[in-house]
Amino acid sequence: QVQLVQSGAEVKKPGASVKVSCKASGYTFTSYGISWVRQAPGQGLEWMGWISAYNGNTNYAQKLQGRVTMTTDTSTSTAYMELRSLRSDDTAVYYCAICMAVADAFDIWGQGTMVTVSS
Amino acid sequence: SYVLTQPPSVSVAPGKTARITCGGNNIGSKSVHWYQQKPGQAPVLVIYYDSDRPSGIPERFSGSNSGNTATLTISRVEAGDEADYYCQVWDSSSDHVFGGGTKLTVL
Repeated sequence: QVQLVQSGAEVKKPGASVKVSCKASGYTFTSYGISWVRQAPGQGLEWMGWISAYNGNTNYAQKLQGRVTMTTDTSTSTAYMELRSLRSDDTAVYYCAICMAVADAFDIWGQGTMVTVSS
Repeated sequence: SYVLTQPPSVSVAPGKTARITCGGNNIGSKSVHWYQQKPGQAPVLVIYYDSDRPSGIPERFSGSNSGNTATLTISRVEAGDEADYYCQVWDSSSDHVFGGGTKLTVL
């Protein structure tokens, strides 16, 4: 079945970088773009950006421009999200998600990766 | 940027009907999607394109969208429906936008 499996929890110090992975299975990886969505503790969902798994084109949320980089490795069907210059308010669960059966609606989600930024 | 506004909380007795609203400027012209999120879990799509249900979602879940308000309706509410619910649209200037979320409490 279609599955997105993310890497494990991370603890980082302010100013550091984090790279979260999202391994896809059960479908043709290059057929769907992958979005990243984050959720701070007790808060709502925030879309971070999108990458085409077909050609690597990206579209980042304006507030994260310059700090986030999304990449893919088609040989391993894995997407990556790197966030730099981490701050305490970057503490959140980070999800990868795809719009498979429905355009613009996220019907497949990863399990989430907790990133904690603390000194 | 496009903003979606949801009530922070809605309470309903078991067996009754819950209605969760999502307000946005002329939201009726957009396609609205709804997600259910239980504690410690990833969101699950429960309504797409305003009123369609993915396979596996009970018929008790329905949606509507008109004017400046979209609504998620849950009929015959069960204890297992207790969760946070988020609306979401795609906007040409803001990309994917989520509402702030509504906590549904089953009394």
